[in-house]
Amino acid sequence: GNSVTQMEGPVTLSEEAFLTINCTYTATGYPSLFWYVQYPGEGLQLLLKATKADDKGSNKGFEATYRKETTSFHLEKGSVQVSDSAVYFCALTTNQAGTALIFGKGTTLSVSS
Amino acid sequence: GAVVSQHPSRVICKSGTSVKIECRSLDFQATTMFWYRQFPKQSLMLMATSNEGSKATYEQGVEKDKFLINHASLTLSTLTVTSAHPEDSSFYICSALPGQGDEKLFFGSGTQLSVL
Repeated sequence: GNSVTQMEGPVTLSEEAFLTINCTYTATGYPSLFWYVQYPGEGLQLLLKATKADDKGSNKGFEATYRKETTSFHLEKGSVQVSDSAVYFCALTTNQAGTALIFGKGTTLSVSS
Repeated sequence: GAVVSQHPSRVICKSGTSVKIECRSLDFQATTMFWYRQFPKQSLMLMATSNEGSKATYEQGVEKDKFLINHASLTLSTLTVTSAHPEDSSFYICSALPGQGDEKLFFGSGTQLSVL
């Protein structure tokens, strides 16, 4: 079946460090891939997405490239800030309406100044 | 942006009692709402999909008689955990989908349920 595997956390970084959160997936067909972020006390928010192979999603300095050959969608940011501290979820859907999301377990990122 | 309010954020209850969790879309009408559950160190798992005015569709393995979902209006869906037991302790999150043509999902902030 379809599944998402993302790296275990927590990830602890200093401000301005480089961030990578790994995400790999298993899916039938051609899924759309997402990264969601949950800041403390708030709901999940869509951070970025990619709908086909080689697409790059980007937002707020974060990027992720849909790699079909490695079935991966790793999240990267060149210079993290304290305000990026949150839980990050990788997700996929094979539903064209983009609604039946399958999530990874989430990775907690903690950035210190 | 669109906001989904989920209440309560945390609830502690005794075994055998029922707990109701509300999910409201504050500035849009949600034709479809979803309920997820996350056990510690596990993924968010879709429990059910509810459409306004119709019965919810439950995922395999989710007991419909235990997790009652009501979506009586376009801005409110409720999840009631009936006769809760300690194994029901989990993090429950709702999400809402605006009307047709908008595929973006908006999530509530979640409810941490602890059953003693």
